[in-house]
Amino acid sequence: DADVTQTPRNRITKTGKRIMLECSQTKGHDRMYWYRQDPGLGLRLIYYSFDVKDINKGEISDGYSVSRQAQAKFSLSLESAIPNQTALYFCATSKKTGLSGNTIYFGEGSWLTVV
Amino acid sequence: AQKVTQAQTEISVVEKEDVTLDCVYETRDTTYYLFWYKQPPSGELVFLIRRNSFDEQNEISGRYSWNFQKSTSSFNFTITASQVVDSAVYFCALSDTGRRALTFGSGTRLQVQP
Repeated sequence: DADVTQTPRNRITKTGKRIMLECSQTKGHDRMYWYRQDPGLGLRLIYYSFDVKDINKGEISDGYSVSRQAQAKFSLSLESAIPNQTALYFCATSKKTGLSGNTIYFGEGSWLTVV
Repeated sequence: AQKVTQAQTEISVVEKEDVTLDCVYETRDTTYYLFWYKQPPSGELVFLIRRNSFDEQNEISGRYSWNFQKSTSSFNFTITASQVVDSAVYFCALSDTGRRALTFGSGTRLQVQP
């Protein structure tokens, strides 16, 4: 089983609909992240969270919101989806401290298509 | 602001050739981490290596090697005797000790032909 699990893995939704992507992790990490990947642009940071009460915007947070329901769960919402939010979305985690403190581990990705 | 540049958009080689993927970074931090990730056609991101800014020793892992040069702000990745299974998109990334988030390059697509 994957340490970082994203659901759904694939979703097609209509413009204007609300969509939530969920992420759960069994790694026991404090920090969680949401990234989106677009062709030719690499991955860009949407939101990140250092713990349940600490949530921060990344470079491209407009049009998105997040919720850190527990240490192990971090969900991403698109309140009113638009076509240019069509992308591959990744959840990721990292430890707060320790030798591997800066290594970030990614989930398998969620393909979202907005039509 | 931090920046990672992977100038090679796509590289095509024939199996058994050596190939080097370039990565140049910009940061004002004195402490930082550099990473390489592999994204095979299936889409997941596979962690390959992490290097901190105080460790300029080159590293070799099987057919993979990494050359970190602080003087030129580069962290290049070489695959020796490439194989078809190496075909993937490779991302270089830069972290900062504050946010502990990653700034990614745009990726290099490597195609290894049989």
